[in-house]
This record gives sequence, structure tokens and C-alpha cells, in this order.
Amino acid sequence: SQKIEQNSEALNIQEGKTATLTCNYTNYSPAYLQWYRQDPGRGPVFLLLIRENEKEKRKERLKVTFDTTLKQSLFHITASQPADSATYLCALQIKAAGNKLTFGGGTRVLVKP
Amino acid sequence: DTGVSQDPRHKITKRGQNVTFRCDPISEHNRLYWYRQTLGQGPEFLTYFQNEAQLEKSRLLSDRFSAERPKGSFSTLEIQRTEQGDSAMYLCASSLGWTGGSVSEKLFFGSGTQLSVL
Repeated sequence: SQKIEQNSEALNIQEGKTATLTCNYTNYSPAYLQWYRQDPGRGPVFLLLIRENEKEKRKERLKVTFDTTLKQSLFHITASQPADSATYLCALQIKAAGNKLTFGGGTRVLVKP
Repeated sequence: DTGVSQDPRHKITKRGQNVTFRCDPISEHNRLYWYRQTLGQGPEFLTYFQNEAQLEKSRLLSDRFSAERPKGSFSTLEIQRTEQGDSAMYLCASSLGWTGGSVSEKLFFGSGTQLSVL
């Protein structure tokens, strides 16, 4: 079966440190991988998109890597701040599935001051 | 505000009643998606439209669920004979879709409709 796995345990991190989240998938060949941020009671907000032929993407304090051999993406928040506390979702866009996004379960991040 | 809007934000209903939710996407977006999300889980795909055409419906979706997008603008999601298991956040999202060189599926989500079935 096809799975997208994110660590369901919350990640507690001290302000200023780097938070690293993992997204693993099986039995997919995604064209794109995306990361979203979701705050309680709100819809997800797009952060970054990385293509299958890209290894790394950066945006301000965020960095995403994509390893199609390992079937894994890592999401880094550097110099983390309490305002970064949220749930982070990875999502795969698969051409064979009509390009719709399939989401992982999300990882909650709590940045402590 | 030119984002995706959903109405209502909250809906409480009794088991067996019908409910309808509305989604107004970003005006130039031709793809519209419905997702369902329960606490602690990621959004689960329900259905999507390309303009007014409903292109896919999740096999997990029962016949009690129906969605429409007349004229390719706003969309409605109806749940008939609600059950307690239908309690969830219903999220609508829109995207540009095909943009000449690639299908851009960067989704813009609304704030969702929280459904509670008693």
C-alpha cells in the first residue's frame, strides 16, 4: 500500500536551534513534494515545493531536501522562533494520481523560548 | 480579502440531518479541492474539480456525499443523513492547475468548516 509517514510525536525544541522534520513515503513516484504549515483551527498554508529532479530548496530560514532514492524529504527550520510553533505537513503530488496532493499526518513543532 | 472562503465556519447538527457547505475559491483558480481532516491527522482527499467538471472522487467517500461546482465558480459539498463519524474539519482549497508548462498544485486553503454531528 502507499504511505506517507511523518513523525507523529511532537518535536519540542529550544528557541534558536534547528528543527528537522522527516517525511518518508513508500510506493510513490512523486513529481513534486510540498510542505505546508497548519495552525490550530486554520487551513494549511503553503511553504515550499521541491521537484523530483531537485535535491534542495531554501526559503529564508527554511530548507527542504528531497531524496527520491531514499524516498525521503527533510524539512529544516533554522534559528527557530516561538512563532514557528505549528503543525507541519508534507504532501506528495503524483502525476499518475491526477496531480492531486496526498498529505502525511503532520508533525507538531513546539519552540520554547 | 481575495483568499479562499468557506461558509459556515462551524456547523452542529443532529445525526440523520443533511448539511451543505460552501466554498468560494480564488477567482482565477480553475481547480477546486475538498479535503476532510480529523484531529491529529493530515487532510484526506475527498474530491476535486477542474472548472465545473468533477474529475475524481475518493473511493472512501460514501454515496451520502455529493459535491458540485456550477459554472466553475463556487462549490458546495452536501452530506446527507449525517453520521457521528462525519464529524471533522472540511477543508476547501483551490489552485491554478495547468499553467502552460506544468501543473502547479500549490494549494490555497480556506479556514475550513468544522462539523460536529451529535
